[in-house]
This record gives sequence, structure tokens and C-alpha cells, in this order.
Amino acid sequence: AQSVTQLGSHVSVSEGALVLLRCNYSSSVPPYLFWYVQYPNQGLQLLLKYTTGATLVKGINGFEAEFKKSETSFHLTKPSAHMSDAAEYFCAVSEAQKLVFGQGTRLTINP
Amino acid sequence: KAGVTQTPRYLIKTRGQQVTLSCSPISGHRSVSWYQQTPGQGLQFLFEYFSETQRNKGNFPGRFSGRQFSNSRSEMNVSTLELGDSALYLCASSPNPGGRETQYFGPGTRLLVL
Repeated sequence: AQSVTQLGSHVSVSEGALVLLRCNYSSSVPPYLFWYVQYPNQGLQLLLKYTTGATLVKGINGFEAEFKKSETSFHLTKPSAHMSDAAEYFCAVSEAQKLVFGQGTRLTINP
Repeated sequence: KAGVTQTPRYLIKTRGQQVTLSCSPISGHRSVSWYQQTPGQGLQFLFEYFSETQRNKGNFPGRFSGRQFSNSRSEMNVSTLELGDSALYLCASSPNPGGRETQYFGPGTRLLVL
């Protein structure tokens, strides 16, 4: 079965600093990988998705993620954090008819 | 296009009662999936429906059930509620079934069981 591990349940960065949220996955087949963001009292919003092809995927709000097969990783980055990026972020891998999610990383932005 | 809508947004029930949650997918989307989100267990897959048929079910007891109507709207039902059923229930829709499809999530229904 596929699984996802997000390293760090809480990450805190200063406004303007680099954001790096780590995700490692296990999959028995070539994976489809997703990052979702959840703001308080809201559902999940898709940030970006990796299917096949280019390993660097650009998403919304300035986020991007790089698929590294050799490291089984799909880390999310943003060059410069903004206060509005404060939220919970979920990495997910596709499995048959469903998504398997990591436990989430809460991102806090310090002014 | 309107997004995924879920009703009600908030619900308070007592142990032993049953509850029905509703989900209207994005227009044209025929697949609906349900997830349970709790602080302890995170996001867990409940079931997926496509063309009024349940295609896949997660590891939940039989008290959790669902259905899909011909207009793709879906409902999930939880009978004999337990305290541990308190959670945010998220519905997601996609044009076609399968985990490789991009799933679009609704705002969720927050259920509190007292």
C-alpha cells in the first residue's frame, strides 16, 4: 500500500524567508503526487500535482515541488513566504480509487 | 463553475443518533469521494461513488454508508453515532473516478457528537 510521510508537523518561517515542506512517499507503481492546502475552517485546495514528465511542478500562489524518484520525495517550496501562506499543507499520493494523505504540516509565518 | 458544496456545514448530534450529510459535486463531475478528517487520524478515505455505484470503500465500520444519485449528488450516512465520529467530513468530486484524477474538495461538514 502507498504511504506518505511529512517530516515536521509544524514549520515556522519568517515573512520573506524560504518555505520548505518535506514529503516522502512509498509507492509500488509510478506515483501521482499532490500537495493540498487547508485554511482554517475550509476544505482542501489543490496547490499542484505531479503526474509524469517534468519533475519540477509549478503550482498556485508561487509554490513549486520537485519529484525525485531516487529519493522518493516530493518537497514543496516557495522562495519568499507571505503572511497569507499560514495554513496546513497536505501531501498525498494516488492509490487505486483514492488519495492517501500525509499527516499534514502546519506552516506558521512570523512577521 | 460553482465548487463542491456540502450541507450542512455544522452539525451537533448525540450518541446513538444517526446523521446524513449531503454533497453536490462540481457540474459535470461524476465521481464523488468522502474523507474523514480528525486530529488524531488525519485524513482517511471513506468511499468513492461513480455512476451511482460504490467503487471503493475505506476501512470504516458498516455504520458508515453512502449513496449517489443520478445527478451525481451524494449523501453519506452514519448510524448509531459514537463520540469518535466527531470529525470534519470532506467531500471531493472529480470528472472521472480514480485516485489519479484531481479531486476538488468542498468546505466540509463539521460533526460534533456529544
